[in-house]
Amino acid sequence: QVQLQESGPGLVKPSQTLSLTCTVSGGSITSGSYYWTWIRQPAGKGLEWIGRFYTSGTTNYNPSLKSRVTISVDASKNQFSLELSSVTAADTAVYYCARGRPFGNWGQGTLVTVSS
Amino acid sequence: QSALTQPASVSGSPGQSITISCTGTSSDVGNYNFVSWYQQHPGKAPKLMIYDVSNRPSGVSNRFSGSKSGNTASLTISGLQAEDEADYYCSSYTSISTWVFGGGTKLTVL
Repeated sequence: QVQLQESGPGLVKPSQTLSLTCTVSGGSITSGSYYWTWIRQPAGKGLEWIGRFYTSGTTNYNPSLKSRVTISVDASKNQFSLELSSVTAADTAVYYCARGRPFGNWGQGTLVTVSS
Repeated sequence: QSALTQPASVSGSPGQSITISCTGTSSDVGNYNFVSWYQQHPGKAPKLMIYDVSNRPSGVSNRFSGSKSGNTASLTISGLQAEDEADYYCSSYTSISTWVFGGGTKLTVL
């Protein structure tokens, strides 16, 4: 079955750009009609939907993050990525990638800390 | 968009039933049958338990059920077991083509 794995720097400095990649295995990222989604969870807090990329090329973003977020797909590597610019300590969280609507497949999550 | 409203905590004894509510608005829960529920154990990724209000994915126990009335969705767990102790989150599609989560509910099995 499909598996997802997040990767990227665990520490990002304030005002810089957070970049994460989700590698998909067990299935092609371009086959079928799927949503590829990023979700985050600050320590001890709830889940926050960041945004998604649909295989048609459509993207949707959380309005509260829209000005800072870009989600893109690299089909040649079977990966999709998250970029979040101008980060602050409030962006410190575990970041998850997920597939589907609803979110039926999740990565294990990766902790990103924003600190100087 | 505002987070959906869930109780912070619920509890029940083994064998009992509990219900977790998830209240939204006519722009999300009330207008779409795209409500899902997730179970999260400490340090683990969330797991889909219910989708499209009341459907269970393959492999999820039939002790878990979902429903919706107006702007409020509900998750019911019957025959509580110790392994059900976890955080539960609801999620809904919204009128602006985004998704929103509830604040989460901590279930304690007494």
